[in-house]
Amino acid sequence: NAGVTQTPKFQVLKTGQSMTLQCAQDMNHEYMSWYRQDPGMGLRLIHYSVGAGITDQGEVPNGYNVSRSTTEDFPLRLLSAAPSQTSVYFCASSYAVGFQETQYFGPGTRLLVL
Amino acid sequence: AQKVTQAQTEISVVEKEDVTLDCVYETRDTTYYLFWYKQPPSGELVFLIRRNSFDEQNEISGRYSWNFQKSTSSFNFTITASQVVDSAVYFCALSEARNTGNQFYFGTGTSLTVIP
Repeated sequence: NAGVTQTPKFQVLKTGQSMTLQCAQDMNHEYMSWYRQDPGMGLRLIHYSVGAGITDQGEVPNGYNVSRSTTEDFPLRLLSAAPSQTSVYFCASSYAVGFQETQYFGPGTRLLVL
Repeated sequence: AQKVTQAQTEISVVEKEDVTLDCVYETRDTTYYLFWYKQPPSGELVFLIRRNSFDEQNEISGRYSWNFQKSTSSFNFTITASQVVDSAVYFCALSEARNTGNQFYFGTGTSLTVIP
């Protein structure tokens, strides 16, 4: 298994540009999520999905959209990038939905918005 | 209020020293889970351990050990005989049953540097 994969690894955007961060997992995990990591703030939940066709907002959803058309993929869209979205983005997945589940993280995407 | 507090922002130790990373959490739930993750310089997040609130037994895995004390709401992580490869940022996280999703509340991390 490749586990959780993310592309791209690095991206530079100009303010106002849009882009999609890709996330895929090959473990047939039910739950997937996106976090952002900022210095001194740990990781914060952006959006999550409890299964194909079902998504919901996390702690910091503004400026981001998600969809989950398949179990494997969970892309994160930035509609109009802002410098405040400069961050490292992590996708995570877990086998099932439930607070007892361990989440496994992808390698991250480092995003710089100028 | 911060649900998970890692008061030590940065720690430096000399190789072979023991080091303890502190984690204090806040929850009103009786059932919850605690986790530790390691983030090496390469950037990925590596799962280390999961512990549920009903299991207060200390756990040892090689040079790593964890001390869970509900009375003080702490879940501390000790590395014995530290090595350079232990240099990383370590995150403690809390998961509560009240969550609508599998949300983790992460601490802000402790950056550990092991000096050869």
